Amino acid sequence: EVQLVQSGAEIKKPGESLKISCAGLGYTFSDKWIVWVRQMAGKGLEWMGMVNPADFDIRYSPSFRGQVTMSADESTAYLQWISLKASDTAIYYCARRVFSDYDRHNWIDLWGQGTLVTVSS
Amino acid sequence: IQMTQSPSSLSASVGDRVAITCRASETIDTYLNWYQQRPGEAPKLLIFAASHLQDGVPSRFSGSGSGTDFTLTISSLQLEDFATYYCQQSYSSGTFGQGTKVDIK
Repeated sequence: EVQLVQSGAEIKKPGESLKISCAGLGYTFSDKWIVWVRQMAGKGLEWMGMVNPADFDIRYSPSFRGQVTMSADESTAYLQWISLKASDTAIYYCARRVFSDYDRHNWIDLWGQGTLVTVSS
Repeated sequence: IQMTQSPSSLSASVGDRVAITCRASETIDTYLNWYQQRPGEAPKLLIFAASHLQDGVPSRFSGSGSGTDFTLTISSLQLEDFATYYCQQSYSSGTFGQGTKVDIK
């Protein structure tokens, strides 16, 4: 089965570091970019950025550049914080981006189950 | 690119025809996708490239528009359609609209 499997929920204190993961199963992981999306409690979806597992190219949304670090290896994508803040409390989704070479259309066709990150003293 | 959906919420009954609009702050051709998110679940792709129905999505869902104005239409609302809907532009990176919550009247 084709799926993205994310690491489990985390409870952290402000100032702590964290790295969450997203493993691609059932397809060639390097074929498609992985997008990270934040959803704060009761709020909408926010595009954080994306990483290309084929060449490790990373594109950050301006709102998240400098706040998080994205990375990937041959089978897993990662999202990392050096120093968490309470405002980082949210669900974080990884998702697979499909890209059409024909007309450059692109969309997200597969989502992970989400990782709940709670930052509280 | 900013994406603005309207309405932010709506109440409807089973069988109703529902339309949700999404406006881009600049022209995005047909680089527009629609997703559905039920409570406690990850989002799910409904429509890509403005009007193309994703495999497995019921035909009561349809999308239209180009340039800056887009519409998601549900022709006959079903119980399982009560959810929040998001548009997303894919012309330049990716930005989501703020969401439209569809609940039961």
